[in-house]
Amino acid sequence: QVQLVQSGAEVKKPGASVKVSCEASGYIFTNYDFHWVRQAPGQRLEWMGRINVASGNTKYSEKFQGRVSITWDTSARTAYMELSSLTSEDTAVFYCARGLPVVAKWLDPWGQGTLVIVSS
Amino acid sequence: QSALTQPPSASGSPGQSVTISCTGTSSDVGAYNYVSWYQQHPGKAPKLMIYEVTKRPSGVPDRFSGSKSGNTASLTVSGLQAEDEADYYCSSYAGFNNPPYVFGTGTKVTVL
Repeated sequence: QVQLVQSGAEVKKPGASVKVSCEASGYIFTNYDFHWVRQAPGQRLEWMGRINVASGNTKYSEKFQGRVSITWDTSARTAYMELSSLTSEDTAVFYCARGLPVVAKWLDPWGQGTLVIVSS
Repeated sequence: QSALTQPPSASGSPGQSVTISCTGTSSDVGAYNYVSWYQQHPGKAPKLMIYEVTKRPSGVPDRFSGSKSGNTASLTVSGLQAEDEADYYCSSYAGFNNPPYVFGTGTKVTVL
């Protein structure tokens, strides 16, 4: 079945970077986009950005622009999200999700989430 | 980053119905029929329940239904069951705005 499996939890110091992976299975990898969403503890979902795997085109939320980079490895069927200059506000669960190209009419499925803790 | 507005909580007894609203603007909810709803149980990933305002993915019970009027979308859960207790988030495409996808503030549904 269609599945997204993310990398494990991370603990990072303020100012550091974190790179989270998202491995896809069960569908044609290049036919869909990968989206990344942040959810701070007890908070709502926040869209961070997406990558079109077929073209490599990326789109980022202005809130994270300059700090986030989304990449992919077709041979590994894996997308990556790297977030730099971490602060305590980045302590959150990060999710990847599959979406249709151009306009993501839905996000499905979602990865299981990766907890990132930023602490000195 | 603007969020769509949802009530913080909603509740109902088993078998009853509950409706959650999701209010956006003429640039997102009001402009596109690309509203989706996600269910999230504690400690779990969100799950798609409704997309394109009214459509249900395969496997989602028909107790879940969606609608939209103007800048406000709604999710109705009929015949409430214990497993429906969760957080629900709406989301909308926002076109050329940034971000192009916005989520709601979330609603905690409690089954009494």
